[in-house]
Amino acid sequence: ETGVTQTPRHLVMGMTNKKSLKCEQHLGHNAMYWYKQSAKKPLELMFVYNFKEQTENNSVPSRFSPECPNSSHLFLHLHTLQPEDSALYLCASSPEGQGAYNEQFFGPGTRLTVL
Amino acid sequence: KQEVTQIPAALSVPEGENLVLNCSFTDSAIYNLQWFRQDPGKGLTSLLLIQSSQREQTSGRLNASLDKSSGRSTLYIAASQPGDSATYLCAVTPGANNLFFGTGTRLTVIP
Repeated sequence: ETGVTQTPRHLVMGMTNKKSLKCEQHLGHNAMYWYKQSAKKPLELMFVYNFKEQTENNSVPSRFSPECPNSSHLFLHLHTLQPEDSALYLCASSPEGQGAYNEQFFGPGTRLTVL
Repeated sequence: KQEVTQIPAALSVPEGENLVLNCSFTDSAIYNLQWFRQDPGKGLTSLLLIQSSQREQTSGRLNASLDKSSGRSTLYIAASQPGDSATYLCAVTPGANNLFFGTGTRLTVIP
């Protein structure tokens, strides 16, 4: 158990649907991250929140909208997705958002399929 | 832009064998390097974190080394077991907020 939970674990949605992914960390960390993992590609950083402020948006399309209401919770709101957005979406947290001590701990991921 | 390469992409070994996984990165200006394990369809489990000032870290049967100047790291697994079968990922932290990941080495330990 890593202390980072994600719901749902699996999600199938149509291109016109709106859904949200949720991440919660119980580690007392101050930074949270969204990553996308597609087949045959390295993990791609999507967003970073440090002390609830977004500090990184890695050129992610606007159909992905993050929300961080507090340091323990992170959401990824999805709308009008494309089939190529199908992937494993991983959430992570770390004590701080930068520096040598930002060891990241990952959740189990949400397997998203866009039809 | 930082690029992380892991060789080999896949590796099969008989149980009990010692093995080495390799990771190389193009920009040596990093804060740390982290090794992860990922089981199929699952999230990542952190195995070892090496700070840029360190040469190696050990945890049980695992030993990770870092040669920052040459942009290389190795993960040594001693006396491999079938339960070690997974994909092993390395990632480097170049600075604020980010990890750059390799594509991983898929390890199969044959009983």
